[in-house]
Amino acid sequence: GAGVSQSPSNKVTEKGKDVELRCDPISGHTALYWYRQSLGQGLEFLIYFQGNSAPDKSGLPSDRFSAERTGGSVSTLTIQRTQQEDSAVYLCASRYRGQGDTQYFGPGTRLTVL
Amino acid sequence: GESVGLHLPTLSVQEGDNSIINCAYSNSASDYFIWYKQESGKGPQFIIDIRSNVGEKKDQRIAVTLNKTAKHFSLHITETQPEDSAVYFCAASSNDYKLSFGAGTTVTVRA
Repeated sequence: GAGVSQSPSNKVTEKGKDVELRCDPISGHTALYWYRQSLGQGLEFLIYFQGNSAPDKSGLPSDRFSAERTGGSVSTLTIQRTQQEDSAVYLCASRYRGQGDTQYFGPGTRLTVL
Repeated sequence: GESVGLHLPTLSVQEGDNSIINCAYSNSASDYFIWYKQESGKGPQFIIDIRSNVGEKKDQRIAVTLNKTAKHFSLHITETQPEDSAVYFCAASSNDYKLSFGAGTTVTVRA
């Protein structure tokens, strides 16, 4: 079946602009995560959605970052007033709660802020 | 919080040899451990996981072992192949949902 999909695959923007990154989780998965991966680094947790519960936003680095998940499916990560340090690969993962903790990742969106 | 770290940032291995990548974690309450493989330009791909109630799990050429006393777990690749070249990430969890990731080990397989 289809895996996690993300769009766009690449995004180049100018400093100060807003960007929106999209994630389509695996159908039926109730949990959705966003991570950030800087060049040569590990994965940094950003935010977690589980069903209708309040999201865990503890990993968002600043108030310029926000995310929403509409209808329990598609999620959008928004970065306002982008800075050069926001340049990274943004990864989305989904998980079907009840089958353990395995998270399945999308291919990521590579964001470059000029 | 949880701190997870790999012992080696890079590993070079001869094709056909066995590989071991070790990962240490800090939280003794961690009960779920997982390995991902990431190829260039792709997202991390799940390869194997293990829960704290077992010491070893195998899946074909891949195995994971867990040493809770020493707080480390290891990825074992038998007869390493060129397609095994990638970055490998370990992660651990002490709750139902949040994984803490290590920085990654780049494995290069020499022909």
